[in-house]
Amino acid sequence: DTAVSQTPKYLVTQMGNDKSIKCEQNLGHDTMYWYKQDSKKFLKIMFSYNNKELIINETVPNRFSPKSPDKAHLNLHINSLELGDSAVYFCASSPVTSGHSSYNEQFFGPGTRLTVL
Amino acid sequence: GNSVTQMEGPVTLSEEAFLTINCTYTATGYPSLFWYVQYPGEGLQLLLKATKADDKGSNKGFEATYRKETTSFHLEKGSVQVSDSAVYFCASPNTGGFKTIFGAGTRLFVKA
Repeated sequence: DTAVSQTPKYLVTQMGNDKSIKCEQNLGHDTMYWYKQDSKKFLKIMFSYNNKELIINETVPNRFSPKSPDKAHLNLHINSLELGDSAVYFCASSPVTSGHSSYNEQFFGPGTRLTVL
Repeated sequence: GNSVTQMEGPVTLSEEAFLTINCTYTATGYPSLFWYVQYPGEGLQLLLKATKADDKGSNKGFEATYRKETTSFHLEKGSVQVSDSAVYFCASPNTGGFKTIFGAGTRLFVKA
């Protein structure tokens, strides 16, 4: 009964390759997120979808492309991987349904540790 | 937009010591405030929350009070355990709601 799941948990690949990370949530939430966490544990938001619509698109290289086939899934595809892409990527979901809410509890997946060699 | 500032770590304590991790915020209005905890090798999970001024959130022996006058939400625990070793994040939703602003995280080490 995992709430937010991600696959794979570990991803080791060569520079220049293309890879995807998948995320699924079974909480019935409308909003999902991708975060990047660096080695100092700093958390940076990358993208967010609300009901399959992109609502947050931070300054991220266009090699990163999110896709939300339905409310419960949010995938992240990365083209032409670079050394600096090495990090832990977290998917999260939230029950927030509008941009007027002051309450936005986030539920995180276990993370995908990406290592680019 | 909103911002959250928390004390830099790492914080190293002996078991049963008192813990305080400071967090201050700037915001339009009075957003909810959260503390998340990240244990080694895991994702973040909600530790406690407060939705309005003077609310006290508490969980697992941790407490934090939403103080409007000092714009603070400091995390405290009276007696830490080795199992509390983790990274702690203060957070608040941005004006507009969809985006959450996270602090930089404070790493806590508790020695036996």
